[in-house]
Amino acid sequence: EAGVAQSPRYKIIEKRQSVAFWCNPISGHATLYWYQQILGQGPKLLIQFQNNGVVDDSQLPKDRFSAERLKGVDSTLKIQPAKLEDSAVYLCASSPVGVGETQYFGPGTRLLVL
Amino acid sequence: KQEVTQIPAALSVPEGENLVLNCSFTDSAIYNLQWFRQDPGKGLTSLLLIQSSQREQTSGRLNASLDKSSGRSTLYIAASQPGDSATYLCAVLPNSGYALNFGKGTSLLVTP
Repeated sequence: EAGVAQSPRYKIIEKRQSVAFWCNPISGHATLYWYQQILGQGPKLLIQFQNNGVVDDSQLPKDRFSAERLKGVDSTLKIQPAKLEDSAVYLCASSPVGVGETQYFGPGTRLLVL
Repeated sequence: KQEVTQIPAALSVPEGENLVLNCSFTDSAIYNLQWFRQDPGKGLTSLLLIQSSQREQTSGRLNASLDKSSGRSTLYIAASQPGDSATYLCAVLPNSGYALNFGKGTSLLVTP
């Protein structure tokens, strides 16, 4: 079974530029998550989708971050404009339908904002 | 707001030792608790998931316990190996929400 795919793996941009990350979850998984992991910290949930709908985006900085999930499968996370403090690893995870099920994580995209 | 703390932040042990990683959380109203492993430059791998009604879970050389009333969980690794070197993260899922609350992790180094 293929795991969660993410691209790109690494990205370096200058502040005020825009960037987009892509995630393809495990086939059949209804729930998709985007996390931000700053160096030395645990992951923090940015947004959770159930199929096409947003379940929780309370910690998403909506003035600069946006996310969408196309047809309930792939998802993109965008930052525009980026700030220095956005430097982090962005992790995508997916899980089958249901609360509390194990989440399967992708390898992450490491973003450096200069 | 749920706070998750992991102690120690870093640990170095010689191969073969048994070790314990600690996790504490401030709100006992949890749905479940999970332990993850993170290797450098990689995503997280789920190791063990303990439902709130359970006391422990075991997988191979790993054993995780949960004491919900005291807000504590431990991850016990038996007969450690160099391949166990990684960061171990504890995360709790609250009853009231969908978001996992993670600790900062314990960085483990097992030396040959």
